[in-house]
Amino acid sequence: SQQGEEDPQALSIQEGENATMNCSYKTSINNLQWYRQNSGRGLVHLILIRSNEREKHSGRLRVTLDTSKKSSSLLITASRAADTASYFCAARGNNRLAFGKGNQVVVIP
Amino acid sequence: DAMVIQNPRYQVTQFGKPVTLSCSQTLNHNVMYWYQQKSSQAPKLLFHYYDKDFNNEADTPDNFQSRRPNTSFCFLDIRSPGLGDAAMYLCATSTPGTAGSNQPQHFGDGTRLSIL
Repeated sequence: SQQGEEDPQALSIQEGENATMNCSYKTSINNLQWYRQNSGRGLVHLILIRSNEREKHSGRLRVTLDTSKKSSSLLITASRAADTASYFCAARGNNRLAFGKGNQVVVIP
Repeated sequence: DAMVIQNPRYQVTQFGKPVTLSCSQTLNHNVMYWYQQKSSQAPKLLFHYYDKDFNNEADTPDNFQSRRPNTSFCFLDIRSPGLGDAAMYLCATSTPGTAGSNQPQHFGDGTRLSIL
């Protein structure tokens, strides 16, 4: 089965620094999605990158996809305290979305 | 604003007592999903509806059932909750998309279920 897996699990940074998270998956995909989850809330879609794309930007977010390595990374630039959340990658393929375990990011003001 | 709404936000039930969680959407999306998320874990898909077509995940226990009476509403029924069913239950919607899959999912804020 395909499963997104993030690395590292927890990240603590100072406000203004960049945060990078990695994700790997196991089988072929249609796209790779990143979601944010604030404590006790639902997931919020951040960005989607298709399997034929290598890099995508959205505001302070930059996501890359390497299908040869079956991996993706999410970069949050100039982090803010409000970016404190859990971040999940989700690999879309075989008509289902498989979520990884998530990264807990804490941005210290 | 168009959204996915889950009620209640917190639900407490007794061991073995049936419970129903509800989800409504104003997005008019064809597809609705139910996920189970335990503490510090990834959301796990239980089942989804494509319109009225129900799709159960192979490893979803028989204890979990779902109903979708119309496009806007979807219910999760847990027939005999056990202690291991305590979790956050998330509802999500999406459109099927022209490619069938290149669409994000829109989540509600979840219902946190506790079992006494």
